[in-house]
Amino acid sequence: DQQVKQNSPSLSVQEGRISILNCDYTNSMFDYFLWYKKYPAEGPTFLISISSIKDKNEDGRFTVFLNKSAKHLSLHIVPSQPGDSAVYFCAASARNYGQNFVFGPGTRLSVLP
Amino acid sequence: NAGVTQTPKFQVLKTGQSMTLQCAQDMNHNSMYWYRQDPGMGLRLIYYSASEGTTDKGEVPNGYNVSRLNKREFSLRLESAAPSQTSVYFCACMGVNYGYTFGSGTRLTVV
Repeated sequence: DQQVKQNSPSLSVQEGRISILNCDYTNSMFDYFLWYKKYPAEGPTFLISISSIKDKNEDGRFTVFLNKSAKHLSLHIVPSQPGDSAVYFCAASARNYGQNFVFGPGTRLSVLP
Repeated sequence: NAGVTQTPKFQVLKTGQSMTLQCAQDMNHNSMYWYRQDPGMGLRLIYYSASEGTTDKGEVPNGYNVSRLNKREFSLRLESAAPSQTSVYFCACMGVNYGYTFGSGTRLTVV
């Protein structure tokens, strides 16, 4: 049973609009979360992180929101650009318990010009 | 500044053959990891090494062995390859900010 779920395998958004990628988790001990972006034939690259003591973290066009009670986080990209087209993975860890990160299956984002 | 370098980039093996995937990092990070990526499964941890001289099993270690040769290098060995090991393999290291730096991957096909 997957501890980290990304229920949308794919998402298409028009350039300039907002992209919202969702991630749900089941383990209430998770206390640190990461988002990665992956282009074809490349390794994943780090985008943004959030710890459980926060409910929002922002870095330029990327904002991650965390709703601990719902065990849900989301990545907002505003405005979306064609170069954002990639697979996005969320990952979660119970870092305070020394656990490694568990990755979700990924969501393929396509930003249409 | 290469970050994490993996070799080879592509490999085709016959069932039962062995091979070693090489990984080296120049970021001076203590922790190193091997993941496999399969469609619909995300990245699953095979083995990791929290520091030089230590290795531990991850989520899917069966059929693999690892060696942390020194702080820079962490290799993954398939002793007897099986078609179920067809995957894309990623090596990563992690610094104090908890962010992974991944290599560009090795695409392995076992026929």
